[in-house]
Amino acid sequence: DVKVTQSSRYLVKRTGEKVFLECVQDMDHENMFWYRQDPGLGLRLIYFSYDVKMKEKGDIPEGYSVSREKKERFSLILESASTNQTSMYLCASSDPGTVDQPQHFGDGTRLSIL
Amino acid sequence: DQQVKQNSPSLSVQEGRISILNCDYTNSMFDYFLWYKKYPAEGPTFLISISSIKDKNEDGRFTVFLNKSAKHLSLHIVPSQPGDSAVYFCAASGIQGAQKLVFGQGTRLTINP
Repeated sequence: DVKVTQSSRYLVKRTGEKVFLECVQDMDHENMFWYRQDPGLGLRLIYFSYDVKMKEKGDIPEGYSVSREKKERFSLILESASTNQTSMYLCASSDPGTVDQPQHFGDGTRLSIL
Repeated sequence: DQQVKQNSPSLSVQEGRISILNCDYTNSMFDYFLWYKKYPAEGPTFLISISSIKDKNEDGRFTVFLNKSAKHLSLHIVPSQPGDSAVYFCAASGIQGAQKLVFGQGTRLTINP
């Protein structure tokens, strides 16, 4: 079974802080993703990565950056946290080998910015 | 611009009856569609998918129907069970397969005993 682990389930930070969200997958997947989930908006893609040190912007990258130094780990960075970044953050991974490979998600990090 | 839309935020169905969740999309380049199920405090889990070359895919109690001309897909759950109570997201992807997904807003399904 694919396991995607997000380092924190709940996190509370202050406005202006630099925030790191960590995600690790154990299936040697090449693709990794960061989403945020907000009520009425579904899941929106922030950044994704096809390989180590590779990254591409998703639909809402403003205010975020990412790091992928190792294949199994994908970090989301809030450079200067703001209250509108309070949200549920979800990490996912997938194998690009065949078109029907679904993304596997972690359990999420609920981040509150005060 | 919401390319994938789930217009019903919530749906309530009696146990044993059929649940039908709907999803509309606008981008004709989408060629692969997936449904995910999400319980509170857990990540979404993959449920069922369909390629654009098919119009139906079935897996046990779950069937997904695709109407390309109407740009519409639906998920049927028969019979509905209490454990099916969750939020359901539809998602679509283009020629890159499941590598980049566009999600709908989600529909909260409640199965009443």
